[in-house]
Amino acid sequence: GAVVSQHPSRVICKSGTSVKIECRSLDFQATTMFWYRQFPKQSLMLMATSNEGSKATYEQGVEKDKFLINHASLTLSTLTVTSAHPEDSSFYICSASNREKLFFGSGTQLSVL
Amino acid sequence: GDSVTQMEGPVTLSEEAFLTINCTYTATGYPSLFWYVQYPGEGLQLLLKATKADDKGSNKGFEATYRKETTSFHLEKGSVQVSDSAVYFCALSPQGSGYSTLTFGKGTMLLVSP
Repeated sequence: GAVVSQHPSRVICKSGTSVKIECRSLDFQATTMFWYRQFPKQSLMLMATSNEGSKATYEQGVEKDKFLINHASLTLSTLTVTSAHPEDSSFYICSASNREKLFFGSGTQLSVL
Repeated sequence: GDSVTQMEGPVTLSEEAFLTINCTYTATGYPSLFWYVQYPGEGLQLLLKATKADDKGSNKGFEATYRKETTSFHLEKGSVQVSDSAVYFCALSPQGSGYSTLTFGKGTMLLVSP
């Protein structure tokens, strides 16, 4: 079964609203979680890396005030897309690592109208 | 910077056909190379990996050989099944970095018909 649970799998929201995506590691303690974004027919692009209890490290070009990442525990990380706009519509994927292995969530399709 | 190029899909095959999905990379030194598979509605799963030149990764009938001279890591399977229909991602991580920095290709969709 899945070892990383990502919710919701699909969300549609109005422009200007905020959306929270959750990523939970089910069977292990994730010291590090990663958030990716994928556009159609494009690679997964790493957005940020978060370690439990510390601030996330964002990749160049990713707005940290728009994509808020919280990694408050060893089993939960959240990505909040604040004041979402249509250009934020994309597929977001999380992954969790305990240094030995890496597991991916099933992704969240965000559509901003 | 590092990059991964894989063939565009979809790749459409009949059951029991031979599969090749090409993957080439650009990186310094000896990166680790991976193939991930994403079945419909599920997360990416590690299919196989190789960490040094000439290593062959294998799993579930799939194989890929780390070719330093051609900077390639092509995925092959001798006889595909309908259940192999999925999206396949080639990826690399820089030498010594483990999973901390994965660079992915764009993914190749495989469709296998009965």
